Amino acid sequence: SQTIHQWPATLVQPVGSPLSLECTVEGTSNPNLYWYRQAAGRGLQLLFYSVGIGQISSEVPQNLSASRPQDRQFILSSKKLLLSDSGFYLCAWSVEEPQHFGDGTRLSIL
Amino acid sequence: SQKIEQNSEALNIQEGKTATLTCNYTNYSPAYLQWYRQDPGRGPVFLLLIRENEKEKRKERLKVTFDTTLKQSLFHITASQPADSATYLCALGANYGQNFVFGPGTRLSVLP
Repeated sequence: SQTIHQWPATLVQPVGSPLSLECTVEGTSNPNLYWYRQAAGRGLQLLFYSVGIGQISSEVPQNLSASRPQDRQFILSSKKLLLSDSGFYLCAWSVEEPQHFGDGTRLSIL
Repeated sequence: SQKIEQNSEALNIQEGKTATLTCNYTNYSPAYLQWYRQDPGRGPVFLLLIRENEKEKRKERLKVTFDTTLKQSLFHITASQPADSATYLCALGANYGQNFVFGPGTRLSVLP
């Protein structure tokens, strides 16, 4: 069966520091991969999605970037974190629909 | 711009009653609509998907309706239990592109 792993579960970073969040999927090939951010009490905001290795689409202009170095690996990065980057980051995969989510990373910026 | 609304931020009901959650959308023509459950600190979990040509879908105690004329979906949980307490999200999808648009969610509390 398919599984999705996201780490770390929680992260506290100072403003201006770099970021790297990793997501890997097992049990499926060539999935669509997604990064979302969820602010407290808010819906999910799509940040990036990828339909294949090296193919990244960005939904909103921001301080973040994404990469897909392998078929089932999706990485969210930042060179310098801002206070506004705080939030709950979720990775998801799909083959058509529906989407399947990881358990997220709670990112706090100090 | 596309907008999705879910009827209320929070809903409290008594155990055993039917919970009804609403999802309304504007400026969108979805090919399908999905409902997810999200527990605190966890990722959303897929529950049901209903396509534009379907009016109703059921799964155990769950029922979803989809009215493309009213641009609305209703999500029902019958014989609700305290374990059903969670945030429920609706999401719209299109046949083109890879985007899913999520609503803000309704936090359901089932009181014993």
